[in-house]
Amino acid sequence: NAGVTQTPKFQVLKTGQSMTLQCAQDMNHNSMYWYRQDPGMGLRLIYYSASEGTTDKGEVPNGYNVSRLNKREFSLRLESAAPSQTSVYFCAGHGGLAADTQYFGPGTRLTVL
Amino acid sequence: AQSVTQPDIHITVSEGASLELRCNYSYGATPYLFWYVQSPGQGLQLLLKYFSGDTLVQGIKGFEAEFKRSQSSFNLRKPSVHWSDAAEYFCGYNAGNNRKLIWGLGTSLAVNP
Repeated sequence: NAGVTQTPKFQVLKTGQSMTLQCAQDMNHNSMYWYRQDPGMGLRLIYYSASEGTTDKGEVPNGYNVSRLNKREFSLRLESAAPSQTSVYFCAGHGGLAADTQYFGPGTRLTVL
Repeated sequence: AQSVTQPDIHITVSEGASLELRCNYSYGATPYLFWYVQSPGQGLQLLLKYFSGDTLVQGIKGFEAEFKRSQSSFNLRKPSVHWSDAAEYFCGYNAGNNRKLIWGLGTSLAVNP
């Protein structure tokens, strides 16, 4: 199993541009998550999807949208990027082959100029 | 409110010395507890987890953690630290049916040669 994969690994955007971060998993996770990680602030949950077809807001959802396209894929979209969204973004999955444990992707490092 | 506290933001130890990283949680019942490690520029890797049973759990890389209900703690230990253990360590717990993890802010570990 490849586990949880994320694309791209790095991205630089200009303020106002849009982009979608992709996440896919092959561990039959029921739940999937998007986090952002900033220095001194730990991991903050942006959105999560408890099951296919459902999505819910986390701690810091403003400026983001998500789509649970199917059980495998959970994308995060920035409609109009802002410098405050410069961060490292992690996707995680939970359930299925990994009962009760979250498994993380390698992360996407996003810079918004 | 549900929370996880990692009191030590940064710890420095000498190679070969013992290590204890502290973690306290605030939750009414016994949650599922986790420790993750993040090496520089990498994603998060599960070190160990506690769900029930023996309160001393063994993890990867020679780490162990002890759950103490009376202290609401789940401290991580290693008897002899290696230079490769230098990383960020995150404690978290899972509470409720939605499987969201509650995270601490992390402890950064530096290892002196």
